[in-house]
Amino acid sequence: GAVVSQHPSWVICKSGTSVKIECRSLDFQATTMFWYRQFPKQSLMLMATSNEGSKATYEQGVEKDKFLINHASLTLSTLTVTSAHPEDSSFYICSARDLLVDFTDTQYFGPGTRLTVL
Amino acid sequence: KQEVTQIPAALSVPEGENLVLNCSFTDSAIYNLQWFRQDPGKGLTSLLLIQSSQREQTSGRLNASLDKSSGRSTLYIAASQPGDSATYLCAAPNTGFQKLVFGTGTRLLVSP
Repeated sequence: GAVVSQHPSWVICKSGTSVKIECRSLDFQATTMFWYRQFPKQSLMLMATSNEGSKATYEQGVEKDKFLINHASLTLSTLTVTSAHPEDSSFYICSARDLLVDFTDTQYFGPGTRLTVL
Repeated sequence: KQEVTQIPAALSVPEGENLVLNCSFTDSAIYNLQWFRQDPGKGLTSLLLIQSSQREQTSGRLNASLDKSSGRSTLYIAASQPGDSATYLCAAPNTGFQKLVFGTGTRLLVSP
């Protein structure tokens, strides 16, 4: 149980285009989803916290107009990188918290999406 | 603000050795701490979650301990195997928030 999927697993796009990444909780409902970014050989950095039905909370230094987050249901959150540039190339990982066992604060992580902007 | 540090940054050992990975955190008012494994180009695999009321957790050859007073956690790997080669990350919650703060990671290489 507690499986989180991400789609696509990798994507290559041209500079200036927008890319949407999906994060789904497959067998549980997630009131909260988190989006992380990981540059090569670096640790995960939290970008934003996404709560179902409300606006996402962005970390300091993360441009909310560039990284659009939508958490439309208890099983789906999307991250759209708008007008992508080569410096946005990174590994994007989402995680989700299980509504029914929220008190444990366990986050379940997706497999990640590798974005390469040419 | 929580800060998490891991040492060593990299570790190379021969197969069969027992080893210890260290994790330090600045804010000891945490309610849990997690250890993860990350293979190259892959997502995270949760290894162990230690609640603040616990001092250690065990899973197979892995044992994680937590000492809140000193702001430290250790991950002990017994009888290491080449398949253990990966990056190991620890993560602690940011004070008063649900957010996880990740350490810098330890890249482990176990040679046959």
